Amino acid sequence: KAGVTQTPRYLIKTRGQQVTLSCSPISGHRSVSWYQQTPGQGLQFLFEYFSETQRNKGNFPGRFSGRQFSNSRSEMNVSTLELGDSALYLCASSLVASETQYFGPGTRLLVL
Amino acid sequence: ELKVEQNPLFLSMQEGKNYTIYCNYSTTSDRLYWYRQDPGKSLESLFVLLSNGAVKQEGRLMASLDTKARLSTLHITAAVHDLSATYFCAVDNSGGGADGLTFGKGTHLIIQP
Repeated sequence: KAGVTQTPRYLIKTRGQQVTLSCSPISGHRSVSWYQQTPGQGLQFLFEYFSETQRNKGNFPGRFSGRQFSNSRSEMNVSTLELGDSALYLCASSLVASETQYFGPGTRLLVL
Repeated sequence: ELKVEQNPLFLSMQEGKNYTIYCNYSTTSDRLYWYRQDPGKSLESLFVLLSNGAVKQEGRLMASLDTKARLSTLHITAAVHDLSATYFCAVDNSGGGADGLTFGKGTHLIIQP
């Protein structure tokens, strides 16, 4: 069974731009969660989607948003990028949110 | 607010030795995860511990959970170089998963030949 895939794997943007990251979960998994990983803050929960609904969001500004499609694929968007948004963005999928989350390879975003 | 603390944060050890990584968390939770991350890579699921007294073992790694003490341990037996990685514990915020996982800061483990 294929794992979680994320595209693109690497991205360079400049301040003020916006970016969209994509995540395809493991087949059959309906819950998709997003996390941000930085050296300073570690791994932080961004949001979780299940059946196209965002059920919760971590402590991030409104510039961070996402959505989930009917095939469970998910996208996250960051608008008006700031230097501090440079991070590894990880997507994780699970059958349902309460089960083990399996992580994708991540998208490494660099904001210049 | 749920807090998860791991210690040590850095550990350098020799092959063949045993060691334990500790994970304390601040509020009641009955679902705890251990993940491994290699440099530049994503997170690999190692164990999920679901109840008090749970113990799981895979190769040279053994994880346990004491929900009353809010403590989990990851024990490494007779370490080998291939186990060098960063190990994270994570706790389910809500019990239902919808609030995501809260991670510890990770233990950077270096095993020297």
